[in-house]
Amino acid sequence: DAGVIQSPRHEVTEMGQEVTLRCKPISGHNSLFWYRQTMMRGLELLIYFNNNVPIDDSGMPEDRFSAKMPNASFSTLKIQPSEPRDSAVYFCASSSHTGELFFGEGSRLTVL
Amino acid sequence: QQPVQSPQAVILREGEDAVINCSSSKALYSVHWYRQKHGEAPVFLMILLKGGEQKGHEKISASFNEKKQQSSLYLTASQLSYSGTYFCGTERAAGNKLTFGGGTRVLVKP
Repeated sequence: DAGVIQSPRHEVTEMGQEVTLRCKPISGHNSLFWYRQTMMRGLELLIYFNNNVPIDDSGMPEDRFSAKMPNASFSTLKIQPSEPRDSAVYFCASSSHTGELFFGEGSRLTVL
Repeated sequence: QQPVQSPQAVILREGEDAVINCSSSKALYSVHWYRQKHGEAPVFLMILLKGGEQKGHEKISASFNEKKQQSSLYLTASQLSYSGTYFCGTERAAGNKLTFGGGTRVLVKP
């Protein structure tokens, strides 16, 4: 199994630009999670989906952030417009009925 | 609500033991433990469901006291490969969101 695949691995952009992060979960997993990791705030859950439906987006910082899961094999996290404080590593993770989370390698975002 | 981990950091010599604690102010359905090495993604170690069970992974084991809403991770006869940051994640109901603690940095020295 290829595991959870995220892209891009690294993104450097300027303040105000739109950023789109992508995730392909493990085939057969029915839950998908977006986490953000920073030194100050640790691992924060932004949003999670069950069977492609957003269940809890209370962790999404503000309206600049949006996430979609159009089908079982693809999800996006979009930031528009981006700000320097959005700089972080964004992890996507998926799980099946066992509950164990499998994380992707992360997307490191730097907003200048 | 984020669970609280302690200690924040621990330094061990190879072969020594350590305990990492995770506590919540809310009733829990399950506790997860993950280890993250520098520059890598968190990797699953084990899940403990309410019922006070204890699980093991290599020489790493854990317990879950649901009445106290606490879990402990035991690193026994630590190896160099145990170095990393350990996170507990808590779930308040089955299928609910997993909220992580602040992490415990573990350094095992030769």
